[in-house]
Amino acid sequence: IVLTQSPDTLSLSPGDRANLSCRATQSLSSVRLAWYQQRPGQPPRLLIYGATNRATGTPNRFTGSGSGPDFTLTISRLEPEDFAVYYCQLYGSFWTFGQGTELEIK
Amino acid sequence: LLVQSGGGVVQPGESLTLSCEASGFVFATYGAHWVRQVPGKGLEWVSFIYHDGSYKYYSDSVKGRFTVSRDSSKNTVYLEMNNLRAEDTAMYYCAKETLARRVYYGGGTDLWGQGTLVSVSS
Repeated sequence: IVLTQSPDTLSLSPGDRANLSCRATQSLSSVRLAWYQQRPGQPPRLLIYGATNRATGTPNRFTGSGSGPDFTLTISRLEPEDFAVYYCQLYGSFWTFGQGTELEIK
Repeated sequence: LLVQSGGGVVQPGESLTLSCEASGFVFATYGAHWVRQVPGKGLEWVSFIYHDGSYKYYSDSVKGRFTVSRDSSKNTVYLEMNNLRAEDTAMYYCAKETLARRVYYGGGTDLWGQGTLVSVSS
């Protein structure tokens, strides 16, 4: 299974709404899909697991949705600290990451 | 907290062992992963070990050269890397699964180490 994220780069302004896409090459159980945020110089941070469950400490403006093979991470109102790289991940008995979407300030 | 150690600069064909020590929780209750990242590039999953060490998985790129293990008495997970290649050069992260004992396939990884740099160069 390959995960393809789109777009590669998303240019938005603080306060905007962001929609990040993750598509799998075959249908998969939504319980096995996670989203991570990575800021420069830091390890990834888990935002969403099981496609829709916010991890501890994830702000409410982050929402995961979708079901195999199409998943979406929505950030309802961008804060300055949200500009980073986002990865989706399939986990369970096979693990792989999407190539990442860079969310940059417009 | 996960604290990593053991990275460094080695020549092709040499070996290195990475350590990932947990504090504040019982690591043996959780599965553990190793993930690597070439600077400026994306994340690559490397290896996984069950909470009890009963199952181990590897990416095709490291299978047969890397070995993951854990020592519950030391609350530590290891990644032994043999026959290192230039393409193994990366930042290596250990990470703990979110949910204990593989409930709901582990729920991703909610705690990551700080990373340790491995550089393979002649």
